[in-house]
Parts: sequence; C-alpha cells; structure tokens
Amino acid sequence: DGGITQSPKYLFRKEGQNVTLSCEQNLNHDAMYWYRQDPGQGLRLIYYSQIVNDFQKGDIAEGYSVSREKKESFPLTVTSAQKNPTAFYLCASSIREINSPLHFGNGTRLTVT
Amino acid sequence: DQQVKQNSPSLSVQEGRISILNCDYTNSMFDYFLWYKKYPAEGPTFLISISSIKDKNEDGRFTVFLNKSAKHLSLHIVPSQPGDSAVYFCAAVDWRSQGNLIFGKGTKLSVKP
Repeated sequence: DGGITQSPKYLFRKEGQNVTLSCEQNLNHDAMYWYRQDPGQGLRLIYYSQIVNDFQKGDIAEGYSVSREKKESFPLTVTSAQKNPTAFYLCASSIREINSPLHFGNGTRLTVT
Repeated sequence: DQQVKQNSPSLSVQEGRISILNCDYTNSMFDYFLWYKKYPAEGPTFLISISSIKDKNEDGRFTVFLNKSAKHLSLHIVPSQPGDSAVYFCAAVDWRSQGNLIFGKGTKLSVKP
C-alpha cells in the first residue's frame, strides 16, 4: 500500500535536546511538507520541499530544520531553539501539479518537558 | 491575520440530518479550495475541493458551495452519519507561496445517533 509513514507516533524529549521526526513516502511524490497543529489551531506550515535537495521555509520555520536528500524522505529536526516544541507534527506529500491535494501521514505527537 | 476563517469551533447535529460547515476567506485572489477531514491522532484526509470557476461541487453525501462575492464556502453533509464525527478543515491554495495551502482552524463536528 502506498502512503506516508511518520515515526514514531509519540515522542518525548527533555528541554534543550534536538529531536528528529521521520517522514517517508512511497507515493513517488515530488513535493513534501511539514505542518504543525496545536489545540484549537489550524495546520501551520513549517517547511516544504518541491524537489530533492531543495526546500523552503514556511510560516513558522524558526527553530526547525529539514533536509531532502532523497525523494522518499523529508526528516524534520526540532532544535532547542524552538520555544514551544510540544505539538502534533504532520508530514504531507503531493504531486507537483496545480491544485493537487495533499496526502498526510498520521502524525507524531512530540512532548518536550 | 487569518486569511481562512472557520468561525464555528464545533457543531452538533442529529444522525440523518444535514451538517453545514462554514468557511470564510479574505483574499479575493484565492481560486481553489479544499476540505479535509481529521480524526483524533490521525492525519487529515482530503474530502472534496472546488475551483472558483464553479459554485458547487458534489461527491456523494458531500457538497461544497462557493459564493465568491461573499468570499464564503460551505460544506454540506447529507445525511449525516456518526462516522462523520471529526474535525473538518477548510483550506485555500495560496499561489503567492508556490501553491501551498492556508488552513482554517477547523470545526469539530459531532453527529449524534
């Protein structure tokens, strides 16, 4: 089955530690995205990548970093500079075609204490 | 400033009745809109979309209406079923940022048996 896999589903870290969230897709999509969801909030775009070895900042990129070395993979690192890292993180992908819908993974809930 | 607004955080309807979820937007340049459905601890799934060249799009029990002059769209679910209970997000395609989506905050729909 094609899809997007995010792992782990739940992640706990101590404040001050960097943590990397995994996102893998086997849909052969060129574009990949990271969103963050907080309670009562919509999805806010952190980073996106339209093609391998290229990525762009979204609306809330501060304190995050990404890489796109392979088409299938788009890991997100939450650094210690992110002031409020506890959130639900969603990875998505899409084909590079006008108005194509995003396909989302099932998310990783990160808790930093 | 929110460009996509879902002013009702929650909605409760009886099974079999119609559910109407509303969404307003501020940018008249938006020309493509999508609705996503999200269950707890899962990623959103694409439901239905509409282009600004249409005022209605229908898919089974789901119909989306677009009123461009009012910058308003709505999702109708008829008849509502308990399995429709979820959070519904409205999103607009923002061509100023390479076609990325701008999401509303979502409306939690509860369909009671």
